[in-house]
Amino acid sequence: RKEVEQDPGPFNVPEGATVAFNCTYSNSASQSFFWYRQDCRKEPKLLMSVYSSGNEDGRFTAQLNRASQYISLLIRDSKLSDSATYLCAVTPNTGGFKTIFGAGTRLFVKA
Amino acid sequence: DGGITQSPKYLFRKEGQNVTLSCEQNLNHDAMYWYRQDPGQGLRLIYYSQIVNDFQKGDIAEGYSVSREKKESFPLTVTSAQKNPTAFYLCASSHGQLSSYEQYFGPGTRLTVT
Repeated sequence: RKEVEQDPGPFNVPEGATVAFNCTYSNSASQSFFWYRQDCRKEPKLLMSVYSSGNEDGRFTAQLNRASQYISLLIRDSKLSDSATYLCAVTPNTGGFKTIFGAGTRLFVKA
Repeated sequence: DGGITQSPKYLFRKEGQNVTLSCEQNLNHDAMYWYRQDPGQGLRLIYYSQIVNDFQKGDIAEGYSVSREKKESFPLTVTSAQKNPTAFYLCASSHGQLSSYEQYFGPGTRLTVT
């Protein structure tokens, strides 16, 4: 089993739709969680950190479920510009600063 | 502006040659990382450094070498021992403190070896 797993998609949604991605992780002692956005042939950019209480940034909401060991990203009112690959990242509590990235979920938002 | 720079953006080399990829940051971050990304795949950690003059192997360090002589710089050498070096190479940095593992990436270097 991979340490961090994501549904590769692609998710094809119309503009204005709400879409949600999940990301599961295997190390129950993981301590930090993130969502990154990666455009085609570009570097990943930090979208948001994920906190235990959940957090929201505009149309984006991230949640952490420690019991089931997954994090989620919800995008409301999808825009064409949201089309990208979304990577989740988990920092295990093993000391050091290694972060494990998922392979990403591709999202296409259509007009 | 603070950020991470990588050069060059594209690099072409012949098989058997060593090549060094540059990574510089002016974010005053302690930790720096090198990842490799192949088409349709996630990021795989090559090496990381938590502090100057110290670095650790990641998951796929074979055929690569690094140095961390300055806080700002973390160059990666792809040696001729790396069997499949063609890939997108990404450098990243983070504060390295327990409170923040958020990583910030450079624009990447696309290496093609023929």
